[in-house]
Amino acid sequence: GDSVTQMEGPVTLSEEAFLTINCTYTATGYPSLFWYVQYPGEGLQLLLKATKADDKGSNKGFEATYRKETTSFHLEKGSVQVSDSAVYFCALSHGSSNTGKLIFGQGTTLQVKP
Amino acid sequence: DSGVTQTPKHLITATGQRVTLRCSPRSGDLSVYWYQQSLDQGLQFLIQYYNGEERAKGNILERFSAQQFPDLHSELNLSSLELGDSALYFCASSVGDIKWGAQYFGPGTRLLVL
Repeated sequence: GDSVTQMEGPVTLSEEAFLTINCTYTATGYPSLFWYVQYPGEGLQLLLKATKADDKGSNKGFEATYRKETTSFHLEKGSVQVSDSAVYFCALSHGSSNTGKLIFGQGTTLQVKP
Repeated sequence: DSGVTQTPKHLITATGQRVTLRCSPRSGDLSVYWYQQSLDQGLQFLIQYYNGEERAKGNILERFSAQQFPDLHSELNLSSLELGDSALYFCASSVGDIKWGAQYFGPGTRLLVL
């Protein structure tokens, strides 16, 4: 079945460092890909999305490009801030059906130190 | 604030009991999704309703059931509770059930079974 694999955390960075969180997927058909962020004690918030190959999603300085040839959707940010500390989830929506249900990776905890 | 509300925020109960979790979607959203977040299983899709009808089912136990009412709010019923049912339960909503649509998550209900 469809699945998402994220790099293991936690990831600890200093403020203004470059961030990459790796995400790869296995899916039939043509899934849409998402990054969600969960701040402590809160629900998930959509960070960005891409719905077809070579699309780039971007928001709040974060970017991710849908790479079908490598089945990847890596999250990047050029300069992280302490406020970016959170858990980041990569997710896909089922490629071969019309349901919007999401399949999530295991989440990657990011801690940014001042 | 995503516009999705969930009640209660916290729930503590005993094994063998039954509880009901409630979700009100964003205004205008027809789809409601339920997810379970636990330390060992991560974020798992449970079930989706679209405009009152069940649309997709995931890893939902037979002891669990859900419904969506004419006013579009949804309830998730968990019965014969076991220790392993302790988790964070999220509701999400979206306008339709298309795979590229964004889902908006509520703050979650934290269930503790003692």
